[in-house]
Amino acid sequence: GIQVEQSPPDLILQEGANSTLRCNFSDSVNNLQWFHQNPWGQLINLFYIPSGTKQNGRLSATTVATERYSLLYISSSQTTDSGVYFCAVETPGGSYIPTFGRGTSLIVHP
Amino acid sequence: DSGVTQTPKHLITATGQRVTLRCSPRSGDLSVYWYQQSLDQGLQFLIQYYNGEERAKGNILERFSAQQFPDLHSELNLSSLELGDSALYFCASSVGDWTDTQYFGPGTRLTVL
Repeated sequence: GIQVEQSPPDLILQEGANSTLRCNFSDSVNNLQWFHQNPWGQLINLFYIPSGTKQNGRLSATTVATERYSLLYISSSQTTDSGVYFCAVETPGGSYIPTFGRGTSLIVHP
Repeated sequence: DSGVTQTPKHLITATGQRVTLRCSPRSGDLSVYWYQQSLDQGLQFLIQYYNGEERAKGNILERFSAQQFPDLHSELNLSSLELGDSALYFCASSVGDWTDTQYFGPGTRLTVL
């Protein structure tokens, strides 16, 4: 099956810093999503981004499907950005069957 | 608050038992998704229902089954439980299909002793 690798596995920042999280995948994908799980376990679907760039406030994501990677940018990080960021990809086939990466754990210190 | 509710929040049971997890989607959402999160396997997609019909099936064991009822709530049934089934089980819902934003419930933590 498709392999999804996220880097770095862990990231520690000071409030106000910028960061880039990466998601590499081993095969062609139909779809790619980014999720955030806060320290209390709540999951949020951040972006659906099979290709191109999307922005939502301080967060933006870019997927370059031909080169098999996606980047999640966090600007001016805040303590509320702490948690684990997951990417999930779906291979072509018509059904929603995502494969998740192991995540990047982010800690933002005040 | 995402608007998706899951019950119970916690469940402790013994090996070999059967449990039912319940999910109520946001009002108006037609799709329900079930995910499992464990330390060993990470996040895994189990199954999706859309307006009462099974739409996609992921890494769901044969001992597990799910359904979506006419009022759109969903249940995930786990039987012949094993220690390895201990995990967080999340439900999510979306208005339409998987290209729409998914809203997650708080999860049910299942512990199998």
